[in-house]
Amino acid sequence: NAGVTQTPKFQVLKTGQSMTLQCAQDMNHNSMYWYRQDPGMGLRLIYYSASEGTTDKGEVPNGYNVSRLNKREFSLRLESAAPSQTSVYFCASIASVEQYFGPGTRLTVT
Amino acid sequence: DQQVKQNSPSLSVQEGRISILNCDYTNSMFDYFLWYKKYPAEGPTFLISISSIKDKNEDGRFTVFLNKSAKHLSLHIVPSQPGDSAVYFCATSEGGTYKYIFGTGTRLKVLA
Repeated sequence: NAGVTQTPKFQVLKTGQSMTLQCAQDMNHNSMYWYRQDPGMGLRLIYYSASEGTTDKGEVPNGYNVSRLNKREFSLRLESAAPSQTSVYFCASIASVEQYFGPGTRLTVT
Repeated sequence: DQQVKQNSPSLSVQEGRISILNCDYTNSMFDYFLWYKKYPAEGPTFLISISSIKDKNEDGRFTVFLNKSAKHLSLHIVPSQPGDSAVYFCATSEGGTYKYIFGTGTRLKVLA
């Protein structure tokens, strides 16, 4: 039982490049989330998916797209990376109340 | 405007003493409150929670207190241990929604 896994762990992009962050959970949870963590800002919600087939914007969705591929997988895509998207990205899933987080992806955009 | 605030960015406490971490919120519709702990290079892990129908919840060395009239939440750790050194986030949600709002975190250092 791996919980929530994220790939890659680290990534460096040049401005304008695109990439997809992958997230998978093996706990059969319905809801999944993407957050970014920046110094002094805590965790800010980018997008969430309440159930398979649905996605909704969070607090900071601009510049991102998501896909809930199936119940297990929820990916985050940066179409044209910007330096302001340099951050640590966390995926999470939830059964009832408490969220289970992945180990994070550290992304640097130069 | 931040709906959930942790006004102390850092806190140092001697081993064996009590650690008190605070969190304030603005929305009286929030009805579930959680604390997460985060070590460097790891994702946050759930620590303890409380619903708005209670004013206290205890789990071992960890106790969460909720003061709804003051819109204030606190986490007490007694006794504090060096392994408790981490960043602590409070989080809250409004009933019926799937959105969680996190505070900015407090870095706790427990000195041996």
